[in-house]
Amino acid sequence: ILNVEQSPQSLHVQEGDSTNFTCSFPSSNFYALHWYRWETAKSPEALFVMTLNGDEKKKGRISATLNTKEGYSYLYIKGSQPEDSATYLCAQNRDDKIIFGKGTRLHILP
Amino acid sequence: NAGVTQTPKFRVLKTGQSMTLLCAQDMNHEYMYWYRQDPGMGLRLIHYSVGEGTTAKGEVPDGYNVSRLKKQNFLLGLESAAPSQTSVYFCASSYPGSYNEQFFGPGTRLTVL
Repeated sequence: ILNVEQSPQSLHVQEGDSTNFTCSFPSSNFYALHWYRWETAKSPEALFVMTLNGDEKKKGRISATLNTKEGYSYLYIKGSQPEDSATYLCAQNRDDKIIFGKGTRLHILP
Repeated sequence: NAGVTQTPKFRVLKTGQSMTLLCAQDMNHEYMYWYRQDPGMGLRLIHYSVGEGTTAKGEVPDGYNVSRLKKQNFLLGLESAAPSQTSVYFCASSYPGSYNEQFFGPGTRLTVL
């Protein structure tokens, strides 16, 4: 994998349900992986930066795991709420740059 | 602190016109970046800078130029705008010690007719 890939592209989840989505990235020369939350008409905001294989980060109902050997990260949202509706971006450090995936667009259904 | 600001917020250009987008940050960050956001394409890096007086090309640099004359400012220029440059442009800044966590500006919506 050369690019940062995210799946699914879009996701509809019932309010109260839990969900997760995936980020895949090149595992060679790994340095750090980022997750950002991007609400409509706003700017992306950082959720997590993860650097070590097996890392698990948590912020409220949102958590993320990292597997640097196989090149993937999962983002989990427990008990989805309407305010979780956003695009979730994954990004990987490459030298001085950050390479973003295309995002997973999450819609929470009332 | 204002964080990262972008000027202007909106602009409409005619094909062939030129303009400059200004990004300013007050966090004393070393690194600054320009991205464009297009439907279904996520964020794509146009140009970036790792310090005052230095710039480098990103994924989609064609048709754009940049300058970083002062640490706090990063300018993005379009010399001859084309409809393909219709997009939302985001500036971001970071410092290496934070694994380059990106702090984004509010975006500039540019339409080229």
